[in-house]
Amino acid sequence: DAGVTQSPTHLIKTRGQHVTLRCSPISGHKSVSWYQQVLGQGPQFIFQYYEKEERGRGNFPDRFSARQFPNYSSELNVNALLLGDSALYLCASSLDVTGYSPLHFGNGTRLTVT
Amino acid sequence: AQTVTQSQPEMSVQEAETVTLSCTYDTSENNYYLFWYKQPPSRQMILVIRQEAYKQQNATENRFSVNFQKAAKSFSLKISDSQLGDTAMYFCAFMKQWGAGNMLTFGGGTRLMVKP
Repeated sequence: DAGVTQSPTHLIKTRGQHVTLRCSPISGHKSVSWYQQVLGQGPQFIFQYYEKEERGRGNFPDRFSARQFPNYSSELNVNALLLGDSALYLCASSLDVTGYSPLHFGNGTRLTVT
Repeated sequence: AQTVTQSQPEMSVQEAETVTLSCTYDTSENNYYLFWYKQPPSRQMILVIRQEAYKQQNATENRFSVNFQKAAKSFSLKISDSQLGDTAMYFCAFMKQWGAGNMLTFGGGTRLMVKP
């Protein structure tokens, strides 16, 4: 079975631009979460979606938004990019949103803002 | 809010030896889950082991085991018979289930180098 897939793998953007990152969950998984991992640090929670509804939001500005589609894939959008948005963006999927359902991560999208 | 602390930024171990990675956390919750994830240079976060807080028995997965001390809020990872492929960043993570969602709070990570 395919794991969590993220696209693109790498991305270079300029300050002020907008970016869209995409994630396809493992087949059968209905929850998708997004994490930001700045170089040298642990990942930080951005969003969680389940059955197309937002179920949690981390401490990120409104420039960050996301949505989940009927096929459970997801997009993370970031507007008005700042240099500090440069990071590895990880997507994770799980069967549901209980603690019995572990998160499975993709390989991430490396975003560089210049 | 929950916090997770990994006090060892870097560790090294000889191949075939045993190493223990430390993790402490702070929470007011009674029911939660704890995890260790491995992140090799490929960047993918791989689940190594999980522990339910209500279980007193320490979790074990092949060469990986944990020492869970709930009262001390400590959750260490022991890797036995270390292999070169164990070289990676290791993250301790806390999961509290709330409402209709869950989230992971990660520590800052420990970089483990296994030497031949």
